[in-house]
Amino acid sequence: QQQVKQSPQSLIVQKGGIPIINCAYENTAFDYFPWYQQFPGKGPALLIAIRPDVSEKKEGRFTISFNKSAKQFSLHIMDSQPGDSATYFCAASAHQGAQKLVFGQGTRLTINP
Amino acid sequence: DAGVTQSPTHLIKTRGQHVTLRCSPISGHKSVSWYQQVLGQGPQFIFQYYEKEERGRGNFPDRFSARQFPNYSSELNVNALLLGDSALYLCASSGRQGADTIYFGEGSWLTVV
Repeated sequence: QQQVKQSPQSLIVQKGGIPIINCAYENTAFDYFPWYQQFPGKGPALLIAIRPDVSEKKEGRFTISFNKSAKQFSLHIMDSQPGDSATYFCAASAHQGAQKLVFGQGTRLTINP
Repeated sequence: DAGVTQSPTHLIKTRGQHVTLRCSPISGHKSVSWYQQVLGQGPQFIFQYYEKEERGRGNFPDRFSARQFPNYSSELNVNALLLGDSALYLCASSGRQGADTIYFGEGSWLTVV
């Protein structure tokens, strides 16, 4: 029940396309859903995050869509660029208890020029 | 402002040895967490400390221990190293217990040979 399932494992998109990465969770106690971007050899960098009281959040070219009833959320990257090529992780945490992020397995995104 | 800083950045240890990894949180942050990221996987939660007290522990053996100092910096200790402990060890900080926004350092790459 603590798992966050992420798909696809890898994704290749042409420049300007809109890659979409999906995540699903089971634990209804989760109430915070961030996305992290990680470049090779670097730590994860917080990209954007959402709470379940909203269905969509947009920051620049990055948008999170959230479906509370389906327990699913997704990341969309508008006008994707080769510099967006990285591994993306969704995560979830619950407000109560330890401050603990449960991560998905990651999606390796490649944006071709 | 400096982000989360970790040291050392890379190290190689022999099976059975002990390792100590260090972390300084973002200035003003009182919560420090440790994660293990094995190559090709998402980070896994190890510990969280807040105000020098352990607030959460992940599913890791007792060979893993940590502590937080009065200046909120932290150490992760791993005893009796195994080959499977080879990973990127990430430190993360946030402002307060229950705060959502968690920032990661660049990590310490540990190779056990």
